Amino acid sequence: KQEVTQIPAALSVPEGENLVLNCSFTDSAIYNLQWFRQDPGKGLTSLLLIQSSQREQTSGRLNASLDKSSGRSTLYIAASQPGDSATYLCAVSDRGSTLGRLYFGRGTQLTVWP
Amino acid sequence: DAGVTQSPTHLIKTRGQQVTLRCSPKSGHDTVSWYQQALGQGPQFIFQYYEEEERQRGNFPDRFSGHQYPNYSSELNVNALLLGDSALYLCASRPWEQGKGTDTQYFGPGTRLTVL
Repeated sequence: KQEVTQIPAALSVPEGENLVLNCSFTDSAIYNLQWFRQDPGKGLTSLLLIQSSQREQTSGRLNASLDKSSGRSTLYIAASQPGDSATYLCAVSDRGSTLGRLYFGRGTQLTVWP
Repeated sequence: DAGVTQSPTHLIKTRGQQVTLRCSPKSGHDTVSWYQQALGQGPQFIFQYYEEEERQRGNFPDRFSGHQYPNYSSELNVNALLLGDSALYLCASRPWEQGKGTDTQYFGPGTRLTVL
C-alpha cells in the first residue's frame, strides 16, 4: 500500500525566506506526483504536476523536483510572502492505473509572517 | 469555465441519518472521484465514477455509495451516519484519457459535514 509522508508538519517563517517542503512515498512505481495548496476549510488548488519521467517542474516562485528511485519530492518556494500561508499537500498517483487515484500526505501547514 | 462545483457548502446531521452530497465536474471532464478529509488529515479516496459506473473504491464501508448521471455529475450518499463521518468531502474531476496534459485533477471547494 502506498504511504505518503510530509515533513515538516508545520513551518512558520518571516517574509522573504526561501522554503523547502519535503514529501516521501513508499512505492516508487508512481505515474505522477502533484503538489496542492489548501486554504483553511477550502478545496485543493493544484500547483504543480510532475510526470514520473520528469525531474522537475517550475511555476513562478515554485519549483518541484522528483526523485522517483528514492521516493522523494521537494517543493521549493522562493521569496515567501504572507499570501503563501496555507497547507501544502503532496499526492501521488499509482503507475499503470488509468484511474487516477491519489494518495495524499497529511500536509505541511505554512505560516509566513510580515 | 465554472470549474468543479459542490453542494451544499455545509451540512449538519445527527447520528443515524442519511445524507446526499452533489458534485458537478469541470467542463470537458467525465471522471469524478470523491475524497474524505478529516480535520488535520490528508484526503482519503472513497471511490471513482466513469461512464456511470463505480470504477475503483477505497477502504470505505458500504454505507458510502454513489451515483453518476449521464451529464457526468455525481452524488455521494452516506447512510447511518456516525460521528466519525464528520469531515470535509471533496469531489475531483479529470478526463478519463491520461496524458497530453490531462492528468491534473481539479478539486471542488468541498462540503463540510458535521454529524452530531
